[in-house]
Amino acid sequence: SSELTQDPAVSVALGQTVRITCQGDTLRKYYASWYQQKPGQAPALVIYGKNNRPSGIPDRFSGSNTGNTASLTITGAQAEDEADYYCYSRDTSGDPWVFGGGTQLTVL
Amino acid sequence: QVQLVQSGAEVQKPGASVRVSCRTSGYTFTDHYIHWMRQAPGQGLEWMGCINPKSGTTHNAQRFQGRVTLTRDTSVNTVYMDMTRLRSDDTAVYFCARDISWQDLVWWLDPWGQGTLVTVSS
Repeated sequence: SSELTQDPAVSVALGQTVRITCQGDTLRKYYASWYQQKPGQAPALVIYGKNNRPSGIPDRFSGSNTGNTASLTITGAQAEDEADYYCYSRDTSGDPWVFGGGTQLTVL
Repeated sequence: QVQLVQSGAEVQKPGASVRVSCRTSGYTFTDHYIHWMRQAPGQGLEWMGCINPKSGTTHNAQRFQGRVTLTRDTSVNTVYMDMTRLRSDDTAVYFCARDISWQDLVWWLDPWGQGTLVTVSS
């Protein structure tokens, strides 16, 4: 079955830039969407498609896509950005939709 | 505003069944698929399945085939997730979310329900 692979953990210094990646063959055909989840809360959409932010999401969050990799970039990370981040996409094999394993972001 | 409100926490014994509901409001119920996910303690998100509220057509993840049934009631704008033959490793928070898509290229889930904790324990 297809997979979306994320680094389990990433850290960034306060105010610096961090990129969280998501790899999978399905991303050559479909765009990913990205979700932020803080402890005890439901996930919340932060980026979808090529590089679209829902209303209310700060413009320090951006998305990009190259080949089989989707990336979520936080430019000038803030303490409140510390959370788990998940990518999600349509799948080309196996189940119709799939999540990445998640990346735990620590802001130092 | 668009809201998805889920039913409350459940405690069930192994082998039992559970129903979790997801009541929607603020949009046309039949215009968007509803997806279900779960998250075991300390683990990531797992996609379980989805339902087209207009037709009732469902798609389930392979690992839940035969154990999970998704239904909807258009009179109350609510989707239901029924799981049978519960096991201890079904203990998780279960989420519903509204699907939005664009040109068969990208799908996103927004908003999400608040989550329902299902505990399976003897």
